[in-house]
Amino acid sequence: DTAVSQTPKYLVTQMGNDKSIKCEQNLGHDTMYWYKQDSKKFLKIMFSYNNKELIINETVPNRFSPKSPDKAHLNLHINSLELGDSAVYFCASSQAPSRRHEQFFGPGTRLTVL
Amino acid sequence: EDKVVQSPLSLVVHEGDTVTLNCSYEVTNFRSLLWYKQEKKAPTFLFMLTSSGIEKKSGRLSSILDKKELFSILNITATQTGDSAVYLCAVDGTSGSRLTFGEGTQLTVNP
Repeated sequence: DTAVSQTPKYLVTQMGNDKSIKCEQNLGHDTMYWYKQDSKKFLKIMFSYNNKELIINETVPNRFSPKSPDKAHLNLHINSLELGDSAVYFCASSQAPSRRHEQFFGPGTRLTVL
Repeated sequence: EDKVVQSPLSLVVHEGDTVTLNCSYEVTNFRSLLWYKQEKKAPTFLFMLTSSGIEKKSGRLSSILDKKELFSILNITATQTGDSAVYLCAVDGTSGSRLTFGEGTQLTVNP
């Protein structure tokens, strides 16, 4: 069974569209994360939730809105997509915020905005 | 703000060569330094270092941390084509409750 899964794996869309990426973990972890990895391979934290509560909210545009319906899911909705949003988005989870050094990563979602 | 700088950004070697990847950092309230290997998909964990001068080893890979000089190195001996990947370094500091990643080193091992 996949520990951290993301859907879709690939997403190609036009500028201005709204899209969502879903993430689910079956590890029983309390904490989940969203990272953006650009073409230069920089992996940057965007958001983190612990027990459905937002604990990290980096400086990202308001067009990005995370939602955590329960501990096992953290979805990312992006409004009015722009060319610069093209990247690979990784979801990750850890047992707790203090266990962030033991993060499990999902396979990534490659978003291409045309 | 925590910062991680990796060098070189890319490296091309032949099978059998030994490589050394560098990671320097600035972090408030250092907790640990981590190395990951990223092939096509998600980063996979290699090492976590918390103490200076103690080498972590796994097969042909080894890593050491120097907390005084604020850097770490990752060594790979007798490289194989399967070692081709991006190697990411990250630091964990308590001030931001997050991992801060470096830009990664793209290693290509040619047969």
